[in-house]
Amino acid sequence: NAGVTQTPKFQVLKTGQSMTLQCAQDMNHEYMSWYRQDPGMGLRLIHYSVGAGITDQGEVPNGYNVSRSTTEDFPLRLLSAAPSQTSVYFCASSYSKWSETEQFFGPGTRLTVL
Amino acid sequence: KNQVEQSPQSLIILEGKNCTLQCNYTVSPFSNLRWYKQDTGRGPVSLTIMTFSENTKSNGRYTATLDADTKQSSLHITASQLSDSASYICVVSADSGGGADGLTFGKGTHLIIQP
Repeated sequence: NAGVTQTPKFQVLKTGQSMTLQCAQDMNHEYMSWYRQDPGMGLRLIHYSVGAGITDQGEVPNGYNVSRSTTEDFPLRLLSAAPSQTSVYFCASSYSKWSETEQFFGPGTRLTVL
Repeated sequence: KNQVEQSPQSLIILEGKNCTLQCNYTVSPFSNLRWYKQDTGRGPVSLTIMTFSENTKSNGRYTATLDADTKQSSLHITASQLSDSASYICVVSADSGGGADGLTFGKGTHLIIQP
Protein backbone atom coordinates (compact mmCIF):
# COMPACT_ATOMS: atom_id res chain seq x y z
CA ASN A 1 0.00 0.00 0.00
CA ALA A 2 1.92 3.04 -1.31
CA GLY A 3 -0.67 5.64 -0.19
CA VAL A 4 -0.55 8.85 -2.22
CA THR A 5 2.31 9.17 -4.69
CA GLN A 6 3.38 12.23 -6.66
CA THR A 7 5.80 12.69 -9.53
CA PRO A 8 8.08 14.41 -10.21
CA LYS A 9 9.58 15.42 -6.87
CA PHE A 10 11.28 18.47 -8.36
CA GLN A 11 10.72 20.39 -11.60
CA VAL A 12 12.12 23.54 -13.18
CA LEU A 13 10.17 25.17 -16.00
CA LYS A 14 10.60 28.23 -18.15
CA THR A 15 7.81 30.78 -18.36
CA GLY A 16 5.22 29.66 -20.91
CA GLN A 17 6.02 25.96 -20.76
CA SER A 18 3.33 23.45 -19.87
CA MET A 19 3.59 20.32 -17.76
CA THR A 20 1.56 17.78 -15.83
CA LEU A 21 2.04 16.91 -12.17
CA GLN A 22 1.06 13.32 -11.52
CA CYS A 23 -0.85 12.07 -8.48
CA ALA A 24 -2.01 8.54 -7.76
CA GLN A 25 -3.51 6.77 -4.75
CA ASP A 26 -4.07 3.07 -4.10
CA MET A 27 -6.53 3.36 -1.20
CA ASN A 28 -9.68 3.44 -3.38
CA HIS A 29 -10.47 6.94 -2.13
CA GLU A 30 -13.23 8.83 -3.91
CA TYR A 31 -12.10 12.31 -2.89
CA MET A 32 -8.87 13.82 -4.21
CA SER A 33 -7.54 17.36 -4.18
CA TRP A 34 -4.60 19.55 -5.16
CA TYR A 35 -3.10 22.22 -2.91
CA ARG A 36 -0.26 24.66 -3.24
CA GLN A 37 1.88 25.71 -0.31
CA ASP A 38 3.75 29.01 -0.35
CA PRO A 39 5.99 30.47 2.37
CA GLY A 40 4.03 32.20 5.12
CA MET A 41 0.69 30.95 3.81
CA GLY A 42 -1.55 28.05 4.63
CA LEU A 43 -2.28 25.34 2.11
CA ARG A 44 -4.60 26.64 -0.61
CA LEU A 45 -6.98 24.47 -2.59
CA ILE A 46 -6.52 24.52 -6.37
CA HIS A 47 -8.95 21.87 -7.67
CA TYR A 48 -10.71 18.88 -6.20
CA SER A 49 -12.65 15.82 -7.30
CA VAL A 50 -15.44 13.91 -5.59
CA GLY A 51 -15.10 10.89 -7.87
CA ALA A 52 -14.10 9.72 -11.34
CA GLY A 53 -15.38 12.11 -13.99
CA ILE A 54 -16.23 14.88 -11.49
CA THR A 55 -13.97 17.85 -10.76
CA ASP A 56 -14.47 21.36 -9.41
CA GLN A 57 -12.52 24.51 -8.70
CA GLY A 58 -11.01 25.45 -5.41
CA GLU A 59 -9.71 28.74 -4.08
CA VAL A 60 -6.92 29.36 -6.63
CA PRO A 61 -7.78 27.51 -9.87
CA ASN A 62 -6.51 30.00 -12.48
CA GLY A 63 -3.74 28.63 -14.69
CA TYR A 64 -4.41 25.01 -13.74
CA ASN A 65 -6.47 22.22 -15.24
CA VAL A 66 -7.47 18.80 -13.87
CA SER A 67 -9.22 15.67 -15.00
CA ARG A 68 -10.25 12.47 -13.20
CA SER A 69 -10.66 9.59 -15.61
CA THR A 70 -10.02 6.90 -12.97
CA THR A 71 -10.46 6.65 -9.21
CA GLU A 72 -6.70 6.24 -8.75
CA ASP A 73 -5.27 9.16 -10.76
CA PHE A 74 -5.73 12.91 -10.51
CA PRO A 75 -3.21 14.82 -12.67
CA LEU A 76 -2.74 18.59 -12.44
CA ARG A 77 -1.85 20.45 -15.63
CA LEU A 78 -0.12 23.79 -15.82
CA LEU A 79 -1.22 25.30 -19.10
CA SER A 80 1.37 28.08 -19.50
CA ALA A 81 3.70 28.29 -16.52
CA ALA A 82 4.26 31.66 -14.83
CA PRO A 83 6.75 32.63 -12.08
CA SER A 84 3.76 33.09 -9.73
CA GLN A 85 3.20 29.34 -9.94
CA THR A 86 6.52 28.65 -8.25
CA SER A 87 5.39 26.68 -5.22
CA VAL A 88 5.21 23.28 -3.58
CA TYR A 89 2.23 21.26 -4.76
CA PHE A 90 0.52 18.60 -2.66
CA CYS A 91 -2.04 16.06 -3.72
CA ALA A 92 -4.36 14.59 -1.07
CA SER A 93 -7.02 11.93 -0.90
CA SER A 94 -9.68 10.82 1.55
CA TYR A 95 -12.31 8.11 1.78
CA SER A 96 -15.24 10.50 1.83
CA LYS A 97 -16.06 14.15 2.33
CA TRP A 98 -13.05 16.01 3.72
CA SER A 99 -14.94 17.47 6.64
CA GLU A 100 -15.65 13.98 7.94
CA THR A 101 -12.57 11.88 7.32
CA GLU A 102 -8.81 12.04 7.48
CA GLN A 103 -6.90 13.31 4.47
CA PHE A 104 -3.73 11.60 3.30
CA PHE A 105 -1.17 13.81 1.60
CA GLY A 106 1.45 12.94 -0.99
CA PRO A 107 5.13 13.89 -0.57
CA GLY A 108 4.81 17.00 -2.76
CA THR A 109 6.28 18.39 -5.99
CA ARG A 110 8.57 21.41 -5.73
CA LEU A 111 8.09 23.51 -8.86
CA THR A 112 10.23 26.46 -9.92
CA VAL A 113 9.21 28.63 -12.86
CA LEU A 114 11.96 30.84 -14.26
CA LYS B 1 -14.95 34.61 6.53
CA ASN B 2 -13.63 31.44 8.17
CA GLN B 3 -10.16 31.85 9.64
CA VAL B 4 -7.59 29.82 11.57
CA GLU B 5 -4.84 31.63 13.47
CA GLN B 6 -1.86 29.78 14.95
CA SER B 7 0.67 30.97 17.48
CA PRO B 8 3.52 31.25 17.87
CA GLN B 9 4.78 31.45 14.28
CA SER B 10 7.98 29.75 15.33
CA LEU B 11 9.36 28.22 18.50
CA ILE B 12 12.75 26.91 19.60
CA ILE B 13 13.03 24.65 22.65
CA LEU B 14 15.62 22.30 24.10
CA GLU B 15 15.33 18.56 23.70
CA GLY B 16 13.39 16.99 26.54
CA LYS B 17 11.32 20.09 27.31
CA ASN B 18 7.55 20.38 26.85
CA CYS B 19 5.79 22.91 24.66
CA THR B 20 2.29 24.01 23.72
CA LEU B 21 1.11 25.32 20.37
CA GLN B 22 -2.06 27.36 20.01
CA CYS B 23 -4.84 27.48 17.42
CA ASN B 24 -7.76 29.93 17.43
CA TYR B 25 -10.49 29.66 14.85
CA THR B 26 -13.57 31.38 13.57
CA VAL B 27 -15.16 28.61 11.52
CA SER B 28 -18.86 27.97 11.45
CA PRO B 29 -20.61 25.61 11.49
CA PHE B 30 -17.82 23.64 13.16
CA SER B 31 -17.36 20.00 12.19
CA ASN B 32 -13.93 18.94 13.44
CA LEU B 33 -10.42 20.19 14.14
CA ARG B 34 -7.24 18.47 12.99
CA TRP B 35 -3.58 18.81 13.82
CA TYR B 36 -1.02 17.82 11.20
CA LYS B 37 2.75 17.42 11.46
CA GLN B 38 4.77 18.39 8.39
CA ASP B 39 8.43 17.45 8.28
CA THR B 40 10.67 19.55 6.04
CA GLY B 41 10.26 18.47 2.42
CA ARG B 42 7.38 16.10 3.17
CA GLY B 43 3.60 16.18 3.06
CA PRO B 44 1.46 16.80 6.17
CA VAL B 45 0.65 13.78 8.32
CA SER B 46 -2.39 13.65 10.58
CA LEU B 47 -1.80 13.64 14.36
CA THR B 48 -5.35 14.00 15.71
CA ILE B 49 -8.91 14.74 14.63
CA MET B 50 -11.35 16.06 17.23
CA THR B 51 -15.08 16.59 16.93
CA PHE B 52 -17.24 19.05 18.85
CA SER B 53 -17.81 16.69 21.77
CA GLU B 54 -14.15 15.79 22.33
CA ASN B 55 -12.08 17.87 24.76
CA THR B 56 -8.82 15.96 24.65
CA LYS B 57 -7.16 13.51 22.33
CA SER B 58 -3.72 11.96 22.59
CA ASN B 59 -1.35 10.38 20.11
CA GLY B 60 1.76 9.23 21.95
CA ARG B 61 3.57 12.30 23.28
CA TYR B 62 1.12 14.60 21.47
CA THR B 63 -2.02 15.76 23.28
CA ALA B 64 -4.56 18.01 21.62
CA THR B 65 -7.26 19.89 23.50
CA LEU B 66 -10.35 21.59 22.16
CA ASP B 67 -12.55 24.25 23.73
CA ALA B 68 -15.46 24.66 21.33
CA ASP B 69 -16.97 27.46 23.43
CA THR B 70 -13.94 29.73 23.11
CA LYS B 71 -12.99 28.27 19.71
CA GLN B 72 -9.48 27.43 20.82
CA SER B 73 -7.31 24.37 20.50
CA SER B 74 -3.84 23.54 21.72
CA LEU B 75 -1.29 20.88 20.89
CA HIS B 76 0.96 19.88 23.78
CA ILE B 77 4.19 18.01 23.11
CA THR B 78 5.70 16.19 26.06
CA ALA B 79 9.39 15.38 26.49
CA SER B 80 10.32 16.74 23.06
CA GLN B 81 12.66 14.84 20.77
CA LEU B 82 14.80 16.01 17.86
CA SER B 83 12.35 14.27 15.51
CA ASP B 84 9.60 16.62 16.68
CA SER B 85 11.26 19.43 14.69
CA ALA B 86 8.63 20.21 12.06
CA SER B 87 5.76 22.52 11.18
CA TYR B 88 2.47 21.86 12.94
CA ILE B 89 -0.66 22.82 11.06
CA CYS B 90 -4.11 23.33 12.54
CA VAL B 91 -7.01 22.67 10.15
CA VAL B 92 -10.64 23.32 10.95
CA SER B 93 -13.46 21.68 9.05
CA ALA B 94 -16.87 23.20 8.48
CA ASP B 95 -20.04 21.42 7.50
CA SER B 96 -20.47 24.13 4.90
CA GLY B 97 -18.60 27.24 3.84
CA GLY B 98 -14.85 27.58 4.35
CA GLY B 99 -12.86 26.39 1.36
CA ALA B 100 -14.60 24.47 -1.41
CA ASP B 101 -13.68 21.31 0.47
CA GLY B 102 -14.88 22.74 3.79
CA LEU B 103 -11.34 23.01 5.22
CA THR B 104 -9.62 26.12 6.55
CA PHE B 105 -5.85 25.77 7.07
CA GLY B 106 -3.71 27.67 9.53
CA LYS B 107 -0.28 28.90 8.46
CA GLY B 108 1.45 26.57 10.89
CA THR B 109 3.91 26.82 13.78
CA HIS B 110 7.52 26.02 12.93
CA LEU B 111 9.03 24.10 15.85
CA ILE B 112 12.78 23.55 16.25
CA ILE B 113 14.11 21.19 18.90
CA GLN B 114 17.73 21.88 19.86
CA PRO B 115 19.98 19.22 21.42
